[in-house]
Amino acid sequence: KAGVTQTPRYLIKTRGQQVTLSCSPISGHRSVSWYQQTPGQGLQFLFEYFSETQRNKGNFPGRFSGRQFSNSRSEMNVSTLELGDSALYLCASSQLYLARETQYFGPGTRLLVL
Amino acid sequence: AQTVTQSQPEMSVQEAETVTLSCTYDTSESDYYLFWYKQPPSRQMILVIRQEAYKQQNATENRFSVNFQKAAKSFSLKISDSQLGDAAMYFCAYRSAESGNTPLVFGKGTRLSVIA
Repeated sequence: KAGVTQTPRYLIKTRGQQVTLSCSPISGHRSVSWYQQTPGQGLQFLFEYFSETQRNKGNFPGRFSGRQFSNSRSEMNVSTLELGDSALYLCASSQLYLARETQYFGPGTRLLVL
Repeated sequence: AQTVTQSQPEMSVQEAETVTLSCTYDTSESDYYLFWYKQPPSRQMILVIRQEAYKQQNATENRFSVNFQKAAKSFSLKISDSQLGDAAMYFCAYRSAESGNTPLVFGKGTRLSVIA
C-alpha cells in the first residue's frame, strides 16, 4: 500500500503570496491531519479533517485554512504569507477519526518564504 | 492542556550499545495513548512504538521497548543493539482518549547520533 504523499516537496514563495499544499492519504484512510514543524516551535497541530469536515483546529490565524475532498485528499492553504510561515508542513492520515488510530505521516512540504 | 517534555535535546550512543531516551508528560487524564516517532534526516516521520495507558505491560517492537510509568507520567524509549540507521530525531507524543478527538501533542524531540 502506498504511503502518505505530499506535493510539492519544496516551495519558495515571497511575503504576501499565497500557497496551496496537497496531501493524499493512505488508501482507505479517511482522516487527515496537518502539522507545522519549525526549529523554534517544534511540531504544532494545524487542523484535522474527516469525511470532508474539519473536526479540530489548532491555534493558528485564519490565514491558514484547509479542506478535504470526497476521495479523502486534503489541501491546506496559507494566504498572505509571512516570513514566519517558513516551515516543514506535515500531513498525517489515519483510517478513522478516533484517538486510538495511529497517524501515518507523509514526507512533508518544505516551504520557504522570502 | 497536556504537555510533553523531552529533557535531552541530544544523545549519542555507540553502535551495538543500548540507549534510553526520556519523556515525561503532564495530564490529569487516565485514558490516553503515547507514541514514539522517529524522523530521520529524510524527514519522513515514522512510528516506532505506541502504548495504551490502560495497558500495564510495556510495549516492545523488536529492538525498541518502552518503560511506561503511569504514576510518574514517564514514557522512556530504550533502543537495544543500536544501529547506524537509528540516527534520527525522536519525538515523544501524547494523544488524549478522553477529551474528544484531540490531536497529537509532541515533545521538542531528542536528536540521536550513533557512533560507529
